[in-house]
Amino acid sequence: AQKVTQAQTEISVVEKEDVTLDCVYETRDTTYYLFWYKQPPSGELVFLIRRNSFDEQNEISGRYSWNFQKSTSSFNFTITASQVVDSAVYFCALHYNQGGKLIFGQGTELSVKP
Amino acid sequence: DVKVTQSSRYLVKRTGEKVFLECVQDMDHENMFWYRQDPGLGLRLIYFSYDVKMKEKGDIPEGYSVSREKKERFSLILESASTNQTSMYLCASSSSGLAGSTSTDTQYFGPGTRLTVL
Repeated sequence: AQKVTQAQTEISVVEKEDVTLDCVYETRDTTYYLFWYKQPPSGELVFLIRRNSFDEQNEISGRYSWNFQKSTSSFNFTITASQVVDSAVYFCALHYNQGGKLIFGQGTELSVKP
Repeated sequence: DVKVTQSSRYLVKRTGEKVFLECVQDMDHENMFWYRQDPGLGLRLIYFSYDVKMKEKGDIPEGYSVSREKKERFSLILESASTNQTSMYLCASSSSGLAGSTSTDTQYFGPGTRLTVL
């Protein structure tokens, strides 16, 4: 079965703190993609990153970094020096080799306080 | 930039009305999707389409239908709206594209429509 688990429902931090959002996935496929999306209060899901199952290199984009570990089936997302504008719901998603569908986690609501 | 637009940000309808939610994408994507999002339930796939005039049921198709007459447009139809269909509706599109392309199968979302059925 395909499944994505984001165990952290809500996280609250103070501005400038680092924060890590956890994502654990399950799939029997050997080829798959993992995604992170951000949903600010306006409601639109904004694409952040796509990771191929064959590429375990970590990725950094500004204050954002992602750690992909196949051994633990995890794809964690870290925000360094968090800012109030990072406050949003963050979704991890799995795309498996069956027709373009995504399996979403339940989302983690991040609140960054000034 | 990929742009996905939805016809309304907010919509209020009455029970029993027929409701149309429209979604348009401007990137020539083959695939289009309709989700609903509810607190505590996350995003759930209602219907999707791989091509014009093609449609596939998602996880919760009951009470909904879809139409895709043109590649860029994917409509979600509530034949007889009910109060339990009050929700946030999100449309997305993606390209089947070239194998290995970083954009292939990445879904891009519209701004969402908050539908209230009274």
